[in-house]
Amino acid sequence: DAGVTQSPTHLIKTRGQHVTLRCSPISGHKSVSWYQQVLGQGPQFIFQYYEKEERGRGNFPDRFSARQFPNYSSELNVNALLLGDSALYLCASSQIHASTGEQFFGPGTRLTVL
Amino acid sequence: GQNIDQPTEMTATEGAIVQINCTYQTSGFNGLFWYQQHAGEAPTFLSYNVLDGLEEKGRFSSFLSRSKGYSYLLLKELQMKDSASYLCAPQDFNKFYFGSGTKLNVKP
Repeated sequence: DAGVTQSPTHLIKTRGQHVTLRCSPISGHKSVSWYQQVLGQGPQFIFQYYEKEERGRGNFPDRFSARQFPNYSSELNVNALLLGDSALYLCASSQIHASTGEQFFGPGTRLTVL
Repeated sequence: GQNIDQPTEMTATEGAIVQINCTYQTSGFNGLFWYQQHAGEAPTFLSYNVLDGLEEKGRFSSFLSRSKGYSYLLLKELQMKDSASYLCAPQDFNKFYFGSGTKLNVKP
């Protein structure tokens, strides 16, 4: 069985640009969460989607947005990129609502903003 | 808001037992997860505690005290492959918090 997949693996952007990151959950999983992980820190929660609706949002500016599609895949969009947005972006899926079930993480997208 | 505190780094010997502590304060609480993260890899699930007490899973055990805002992860019979970061992650229903992680170094 395929695990959580994310694309692209690596991405380089310049300040002010826009980026879209993609995530495909494990088949049958209905919940997708997004995290930002800076080197040496734990993942910071950005969004949780369950059954295509936003169910939770972390302390990130409105430049960050996301959506979940009918097939439960998800996109994370970041506008007006800043140098500080450089990080590993992790997607995690779970079969049920993420707060009550194990989350399976994808390999992440490494974003570098120059 | 939330505050999660765990030691930055620990060192232990192969075959020994190590306990990684975590204290937390979150606006809501639904349960607590522990994840393992090897360098350059994604986190992987280790344990989940909802009620007070000890959950045992092979060489790994996790304890929770909700009233004290305290949890620990116990690793027995340490192996070299256990060298990794261990993330304490208290959750409320719709928000998920991770600590900065404890880097465990297992030496021969």
